[in-house]
Amino acid sequence: EIVLTQSPDTLSLSPGERATLSCRASQSVGSYLAWYQQKPGQAPRLLIYDASYKATGIPARFSGSGSGTDFFLIISSLEPDDSAVYYCQQRYNWPPYTFGQGTKLEIK
Amino acid sequence: EVQLVESGGAVVQPGGSLRLSCAVSGFKFDDFTIHWVRQAPGKGLEWVSLISWDARTAYYADSVKGRFTMSRDNKKNSVHLQMRSLRNEDTAFYFCAKDLAFGFSSGPTRGGFDFWGQGTMVAVSS
Repeated sequence: EIVLTQSPDTLSLSPGERATLSCRASQSVGSYLAWYQQKPGQAPRLLIYDASYKATGIPARFSGSGSGTDFFLIISSLEPDDSAVYYCQQRYNWPPYTFGQGTKLEIK
Repeated sequence: EVQLVESGGAVVQPGGSLRLSCAVSGFKFDDFTIHWVRQAPGKGLEWVSLISWDARTAYYADSVKGRFTMSRDNKKNSVHLQMRSLRNEDTAFYFCAKDLAFGFSSGPTRGGFDFWGQGTMVAVSS
């Protein structure tokens, strides 16, 4: 089973700042990685798939990069509405489709 | 508008059974794989199972294999998760989710889970 480790666990930044969230895989997953955003009481929302492709309706300030074992989700200019937990998910070696443990992003 | 609506969540005793349903609308249902994903209170996401577009193939997480069975009815645009021998650790919100990828293939799969329901709560407790 591929293990995904996200860092940091919690990130606290101010509006307008740039956020960089990391996801590291225990073995290569190529570019078969997705990112999700989950706000309290809501279902997850697909942000990025195939490491760098934005899902429909996702604002331009969100971007993804990486391949192999190291991936990044970048939010270029934070807005208060970006406060959420962010999860990465691999789709390379399944079942299972594993998720990272999540990074909680707080907007000051 | 794409919609997935889960139902069937309840409080059940350990060892009990429950059947969850997911009603789908807004897209060509029989072209896409559907997944169940769960989330224990205050915890992260755990993939549970998937069923291929034609219902011929289903996969399960090791934690539920042999106890949960996923099915789908392409005429009624619905999927189901039959849960048996429930344990305390099965307590979670259960989400159904549509796969972005068209059709089904084994091996590395491009895409993600592009539409999700709001979830239904299953609580296993004596």
